[in-house]
Amino acid sequence: AQSVTQLGSHVSVSEGALVLLRCNYSSSVPPYLFWYVQYPNQGLQLLLKYTTGATLVKGINGFEAEFKKSETSFHLTKPSAHMSDAAEYFCAVSTGGGNKLTFGTGTQLKVEL
Amino acid sequence: NAGVTQTPKFQVLKTGQSMTLQCAQDMNHNSMYWYRQDPGMGLRLIYYSASEGTTDKGEVPNGYNVSRLNKREFSLRLESAAPSQTSVYFCASSNRGGFSQPQHFGDGTRLSIL
Repeated sequence: AQSVTQLGSHVSVSEGALVLLRCNYSSSVPPYLFWYVQYPNQGLQLLLKYTTGATLVKGINGFEAEFKKSETSFHLTKPSAHMSDAAEYFCAVSTGGGNKLTFGTGTQLKVEL
Repeated sequence: NAGVTQTPKFQVLKTGQSMTLQCAQDMNHNSMYWYRQDPGMGLRLIYYSASEGTTDKGEVPNGYNVSRLNKREFSLRLESAAPSQTSVYFCASSNRGGFSQPQHFGDGTRLSIL
């Protein structure tokens, strides 16, 4: 069975600082991995996804993530945080038939002046 | 293009009451899903429908039923609401095409059961 672990339920950074949100996965087969963002009182929006090929994946709003098979990780980064990045971020792995997703428990990102 | 539309956005129920949450998508997607989101627990899959005419249980199906009315619509029913079902419910849809297809989410239904 696949699973996802997000380290740190809350992360706080200063505006302009590096954002690093951690995600480790467990999967018995090559995984498909996703990062979603949730703004207050909204649904989840896709930031980026890894399927096959290039291990460094670029997404929207300047975010990127690197798939590292040896470390079973898919950490999300952004070089310079903006106030508008404050949101909750979810890592997910695709599981089984029906395109089912297994989500991590989420990381709330706070951006301070 | 509305994407995934959920109704209602908010609802308060009393214990034992019944309720149907509605979801419709206009992207011609084959697969649809219902999740619940609780603090510190991420999103958990309640039921899903891989294609029109099929439904399957997810991780937390107890106390819920679903109906895939047609390709566009997928409803979630609480027959006898319990306080433990207080949550935010999200509907999502995705296209057929293997595990790489992302899911598209509605804005959620915030449900409180007293």
